[in-house]
Amino acid sequence: EVQLVDSGGGLVQPGGSLRLSCAASGFTFSSYWMHWVRQAPGKGLVWVSRINSDGSSTSYADSVKGRFTISRDNAKNTLYLQMNSLRAEDTAVYYCARGRLWFGENDYWGQGTLVTVSS
Amino acid sequence: QSALTQPASVSGSPGQSITISCTGTSSDVGGYNYVSWYQQHPGKAPKLMIFDVSKRPSGVSNRFSGSKSGNTASLTISGLQAEDEADYYCSSYTSSSTFEVFGGGTKLTVL
Repeated sequence: EVQLVDSGGGLVQPGGSLRLSCAASGFTFSSYWMHWVRQAPGKGLVWVSRINSDGSSTSYADSVKGRFTISRDNAKNTLYLQMNSLRAEDTAVYYCARGRLWFGENDYWGQGTLVTVSS
Repeated sequence: QSALTQPASVSGSPGQSITISCTGTSSDVGGYNYVSWYQQHPGKAPKLMIFDVSKRPSGVSNRFSGSKSGNTASLTISGLQAEDEADYYCSSYTSSSTFEVFGGGTKLTVL
């Protein structure tokens, strides 16, 4: 059974940092593009970042470029999102997702982890 | 990149059919057959219901169907059931630098 388990969220002050993790199981993690998608409270889904299967290619939404870094450890079947210089507008539930295709069409999602940026 | 346009809400009675629209441009919905639909219940993760405009993942009820005409994609749910009450999001491949764009979401209420 495919499983994605998100963790690492919490309360952080503006300007602070946080690292999210996504533990994958039940499939060959190293064969898939992976994505982070976020959802602000009461709002819709927004793509944040993607990484290719071997970690050599990444892309980011303009709103997080230069502040967030996506990475993966295929030996540990884990996806990461390092978030620096956090702002109030980054407050959201962050989901990791497996891309059915390289750009998205995510067929499996983690349960999400809540990041709250507030003083 | 603007989000795809969806109605904020739709409603229907049990047993009826409803359709949710998702309007984009020739740079996304109209230009590619990569429209997908997600169902999200409150407090839960999204679930893929339709991909590639009209294909259903294994395990998704055949009451859910997708189509596209021009720059507008549609999700139709037939034989509406109480458990279908949820938020629904469309997404599409886009030629912009993000390569994927979501709709704003539609809240489905089963009366």
